[in-house]
Amino acid sequence: GQSLEQPSEVTAVEGAIVQINCTYQTSGFYGLSWYQQHDGGAPTFLSYNGLDGLEETGRFSSFLSRSDSYGYLLLQELQMKDSASYFCALTSNTGKLIFGQGTTLQVKP
Amino acid sequence: KAGVTQTPRYLIKTRGQQVTLSCSPISGHRSVSWYQQTPGQGLQFLFEYFSETQRNKGNFPGRFSGRQFSNSRSEMNVSTLELGDSALYLCASSTAGGSYEQYFGPGTRLTVT
Repeated sequence: GQSLEQPSEVTAVEGAIVQINCTYQTSGFYGLSWYQQHDGGAPTFLSYNGLDGLEETGRFSSFLSRSDSYGYLLLQELQMKDSASYFCALTSNTGKLIFGQGTTLQVKP
Repeated sequence: KAGVTQTPRYLIKTRGQQVTLSCSPISGHRSVSWYQQTPGQGLQFLFEYFSETQRNKGNFPGRFSGRQFSNSRSEMNVSTLELGDSALYLCASSTAGGSYEQYFGPGTRLTVT
């Protein structure tokens, strides 16, 4: 089967940089995605890594290392509006999107 | 372009009843996936439909079923409701099946009493 592990909570201050890690176990997958979900809202797509390495999208970057079964989401210049839950998700080789349990990020002033 | 819409937004049902939830994808999107979200289990994949065919299925009992219509709108049905079925049910659409970039609707909050 497939499984993903993320920290349940992370706290950081406004303006800082925070990294949310995701480790996974899978027999095969296409890539790793990241989604953001605010309280009471729908998940929204942030980033995707199909290949190893770093992908940068504005203040957000995502990294994947297939050899280490590991990825992370890096958020820079944190803002209060970044307080939300962040999910990593594997696109399995059958096309399913398998989500981690989510990391709640709290940004403090 | 209008986003993904789900109806109803909130629903209260009694154990043993059945429920049907509806999802209208973004215009032009042919793939619709359904997820169950609970505090303890996170986001769990239910099934995916593409061009009216079920492409993928998660590990849920047969009480959970779905279908997709020719206009890509999708419905999911849960029969013989149990208390543990209380959850937020999210649908997501994408242009192609198996896409990593999915657009989620606001969800239907189902409470089973």
